[in-house]
Amino acid sequence: QKEVEQDPGPLSVPEGAIVSLNCTYSNSAFQYFMWYRQYSRKGPELLMYTYSSGNKEDGRFTAQVDKSSKYISLFIRDSQPSDSATYLCAMSGTDKLIFGTGTRLQVFP
Amino acid sequence: EPEVTQTPSHQVTQMGQEVILRCVPISNHLYFYWYRQILGQKVEFLVSFYNNEISEKSEIFDDQFSVERPDGSNFTLKIRSTKLEDSAMYFCATATSGTTKNIQYFGAGTRLSVL
Repeated sequence: QKEVEQDPGPLSVPEGAIVSLNCTYSNSAFQYFMWYRQYSRKGPELLMYTYSSGNKEDGRFTAQVDKSSKYISLFIRDSQPSDSATYLCAMSGTDKLIFGTGTRLQVFP
Repeated sequence: EPEVTQTPSHQVTQMGQEVILRCVPISNHLYFYWYRQILGQKVEFLVSFYNNEISEKSEIFDDQFSVERPDGSNFTLKIRSTKLEDSAMYFCATATSGTTKNIQYFGAGTRLSVL
């Protein structure tokens, strides 16, 4: 079983849609959960992070962590064409980040 | 907004040559990392560095790789004798301290092409 699993997509949605991106993991030692956005051939850009379980909201973005199910989600409300990118989940127990494969999102006008 | 700066953006080298990739961390950050991403694959941890020594390294980070902070500002990754399979994007990441060392900020990356 992979340590972090993420559906690679691609996910194609119309502008204004609600997008749900998800990751599952197997290592119960993970305590920090991050979402990064990556444009083609660029570095990962930190969007949000959560410590342990719970929800966190930042503008149009909401991150959820369910440690009992080992499942994390990122919701994007009112999606925009500028949200088109690859979204990477990452998590850690120490400080080494373990990444998912990334989900490619395309928001069309 | 402070950012992690990496140079060069693209490095082309011949197999067997040495390369040095450079990173300038965010100024108050104390934890430094290198990751790599082979085209089409996930981002993978290489090494973490704190207080002038390696904290942890992955099995990818073999004797061909080394890191150092030569002048208190730059953080470098050296690959002694490059192989074709070293071709990848290399990302430097940095973090502040304590519990926030998990919150890592990435540079734009160096694309290494080994011919």
